[in-house]
Amino acid sequence: GENVEQHPSTLSVQEGDSAVIKCTYSDSASNYFPWYKQELGKGPQLIIDIRSNVGEKKDQRIAVTLNKTAKHFSLHITETQPEDSAVYFCAASKGSNYQLIWGAGTKLIIKP
Amino acid sequence: EAQVTQNPRYLITVTGKKLTVTCSQNMNHEYMSWYRQDPGLGLRQIYYSMNVEVTDKGDVPEGYKVSRKEKRNFPLILESPSPNQTSLYFCASNWGGGSQETQYFGPGTRLLVL
Repeated sequence: GENVEQHPSTLSVQEGDSAVIKCTYSDSASNYFPWYKQELGKGPQLIIDIRSNVGEKKDQRIAVTLNKTAKHFSLHITETQPEDSAVYFCAASKGSNYQLIWGAGTKLIIKP
Repeated sequence: EAQVTQNPRYLITVTGKKLTVTCSQNMNHEYMSWYRQDPGLGLRQIYYSMNVEVTDKGDVPEGYKVSRKEKRNFPLILESPSPNQTSLYFCASNWGGGSQETQYFGPGTRLLVL
């Protein structure tokens, strides 16, 4: 069946450095790719998304890139700050449009 | 304040004792959904609802029921809970029926079934 693989499961970076999280999807019909951030004790919150007709999207320190040929997309966070510490989830739309396929999550740790 | 609320936030119960987790949103959203979150598995959708009286199975519906009698409420029912339903549960909502819109998540309900 369809799945989304997310790597790494844990990422530790020095404050101020960049962080990159990668996801690979299997459903060639997927055309929407959101990233959610989950802080401790809270529900996930959308931070950025990209659609299949775009290769890259930026929002301040956050960017997402999409390679449809290779079926992978990545989240880039530059100049990391302590408040970036959280679990990040990628997802890809299913062909039905009513559901998402989620990655397993990446725990990002920002070291002071 | 626009939000999705869930109750209870924490629940310990025993095998076979029926329970209901409530979910309510005040944003007039049409689409609502239940997920469970387990370590290493990410979020898995249990059920979703595209509007009042319209519900459908997600990826892991076994052992769960839902109902959507009002637009704002979408309760999750475990008729006979089992230990493998111990998990963190999230309710979410968005404007329309598609997944290609921002989903707003509740704070989560942590369930332990003994």
